[in-house]
Amino acid sequence: QSVLTQPASVSGSPGQSITISCTGTSSDVGGYNYVSWYQQHPGKAPKVLIYDVSKRPSGVSNRFSGSKSGNTASLSISGLQAEDEADYYCSSHTSSSTEVFGGGTKLTVL
Amino acid sequence: QVQLQESGPGLLKPSQTLSLTCTVSGGSISSDVYYWSWIRQHPGKGLEWIGYIWHRGSTYFNPSLKSRVSISVDTSKNQFSLNLSSVTAADTAVYYCARVRQRDSSGYFSPLFDFWGQGTLVTVSS
Repeated sequence: QSVLTQPASVSGSPGQSITISCTGTSSDVGGYNYVSWYQQHPGKAPKVLIYDVSKRPSGVSNRFSGSKSGNTASLSISGLQAEDEADYYCSSHTSSSTEVFGGGTKLTVL
Repeated sequence: QVQLQESGPGLLKPSQTLSLTCTVSGGSISSDVYYWSWIRQHPGKGLEWIGYIWHRGSTYFNPSLKSRVSISVDTSKNQFSLNLSSVTAADTAVYYCARVRQRDSSGYFSPLFDFWGQGTLVTVSS
């Protein structure tokens, strides 16, 4: 299984909105609505932000939202805050009953 | 609150077998709803899924690591373990254990890594 494709980096100013893409294949992202997104601050374990493409766990800010079109899923963050600066990873369930992560995207808040 | 804690040697020599244990507290490893997973992160790189196990023993692995990996569970100790054989410097990474929720409260399939350990650095060096 290949790593899902994410942009290496994105940036935005406080208050702005950004979107991070995650491209896979029909065997993972495109085939199932089981895409999740994780936020990782330096030296910390990842934290789930979104699951099942667009659902937010309890306690996650509604500034985070997810969507999917075809083989590409997206994470959007609105009203950027300094604390959002982190690495973001997508993950998808696959047709082989395995899981695959994206390569990660570093978000810089300018 | 569920907590996971990795433990094991932090330094290995090439060709040795990496063995890590994850101890789960605050919840039962024998729940049908969860799988128990290992993920690693090479220094400065992204997350790589290694594999997971269900408490009844079913396992699934990353195809790229499958020939060297085994995962086992000890329900009596509420622990699960990772073995990775014939390690090289390329296996140097932070290794995380995590709980994978398989089903939501309505019983529908809904996988997500909902709780993670803090991670443990394993270095392979001669």
